[in-house]
Amino acid sequence: NAGVMQNPRHLVRRRGQEARLRCSPMKGHSHVYWYRQLPEEGLKFMVYLQKENIIDESGMPKERFSAEFPKEGPSILRIQQVVRGDSAAYFCASSPPTGPYEQYFGPGTRLTVT
Amino acid sequence: GQQLNQSPQSMFIQEGEDVSMNCTSSSIFNTWLWYKQDPGEGPVLLIALYKAGELTSNGRLTAQFGITRKDSFLNISASIPSDVGIYFCAGHPTSGTYKYIFGTGTRLKVLA
Repeated sequence: NAGVMQNPRHLVRRRGQEARLRCSPMKGHSHVYWYRQLPEEGLKFMVYLQKENIIDESGMPKERFSAEFPKEGPSILRIQQVVRGDSAAYFCASSPPTGPYEQYFGPGTRLTVT
Repeated sequence: GQQLNQSPQSMFIQEGEDVSMNCTSSSIFNTWLWYKQDPGEGPVLLIALYKAGELTSNGRLTAQFGITRKDSFLNISASIPSDVGIYFCAGHPTSGTYKYIFGTGTRLKVLA
């Protein structure tokens, strides 16, 4: 059973470009969470999604950031018009549809904005 | 956002020593998870705890769910160099959310 997959592992964007981060949850998992981590810091919750629904986006900046988890395909975290402050590691986690809702993390995407 | 108090923030220990770290909260949790993160990688789930007072082991790691349901402890026995990394706790509140609240992490360095 493959784990949580994220791609790309590393992404370099110039200021003003768009960044698209992809996350494929573990097989059978229908809950996806996105986190952001700055160097030497903890995990900051961004958004929680189920298939075709955003359940909680309380940690996501109101502008430039969006997330989706379509019926088919991976979850996408999209950052428009990136700025240097967006440089960070972005992690996706997934959990099963029934409890206990243990979260399993992917390897992360490291975004660098130049 | 809300975070757990995790301590110590960092620790340097000699190889072979035992390690203890803990997380505390003002809220009651119904699940505790402990993760380890290696540099450049995602967190890996080490131990999951579901009941107050529960004590669970995974090799040299032992974790406990505090009886007040507001804290949890992780112990590593006979540390080895590959134990180096960041250890995170995560608590799942009892009321109506799927979100876990994460601790700020304990950075462990093992001196050979």
